[in-house]
Amino acid sequence: KNQVEQSPQSLIILEGKNCTLQCNYTVSPFSNLRWYKQDTGRGPVSLTIMTFSENTKSNGRYTATLDADTKQSSLHITASQLSDSASYICVVRGNAGNMLTFGGGTRLMVKP
Amino acid sequence: DGGITQSPKYLFRKEGQNVTLSCEQNLNHDAMYWYRQDPGQGLRLIYYSQIVNDFQKGDIAEGYSVSREKKESFPLTVTSAQKNPTAFYLCASWGGSIYFGEGSWLTVV
Repeated sequence: KNQVEQSPQSLIILEGKNCTLQCNYTVSPFSNLRWYKQDTGRGPVSLTIMTFSENTKSNGRYTATLDADTKQSSLHITASQLSDSASYICVVRGNAGNMLTFGGGTRLMVKP
Repeated sequence: DGGITQSPKYLFRKEGQNVTLSCEQNLNHDAMYWYRQDPGQGLRLIYYSQIVNDFQKGDIAEGYSVSREKKESFPLTVTSAQKNPTAFYLCASWGGSIYFGEGSWLTVV
């Protein structure tokens, strides 16, 4: 069964600090992996998308990495801001049809 | 502008009632999805449709029903058989990229 596991489940950091969120997946065959930011009660917003051949991709203070061999991805947030407080969701798409598998998300809280 | 529209944003249901959540997209996407999210939890797949007049059960389809009579519309009905329907419901579509609606809050009163 295709699965996407995220860790940690929740994280509290001080404003200005960096943090790294993890995503491990078993989806096969793999097409791409996306990181989303979801504010409470809102639809997810795309941060990055990574395909099999990409190792690193940045979007401002967000940097995603992908190791397709170990089926692991990380999202690094630099110089965190209070507005970074949200859930971060890893979504993997397989090549078989358009099936999307969602991770359970990491709830990040940035405190002043 | 193209996008996905969910309605209503907030809905209250009495026990024993069926309610229908609307999801409309003007992106010309074939694939559409419904997800449920409980507080502090991740997204779980309820139903998905790859093409008009076809849909498949997801991981938690019991107590829900869908239809896909038109490409742009994928309504979700929460039936009285769904014992714990209070949740946040998200609709999404796929056409090379994932687009999400803004979600609908359903509360049982």
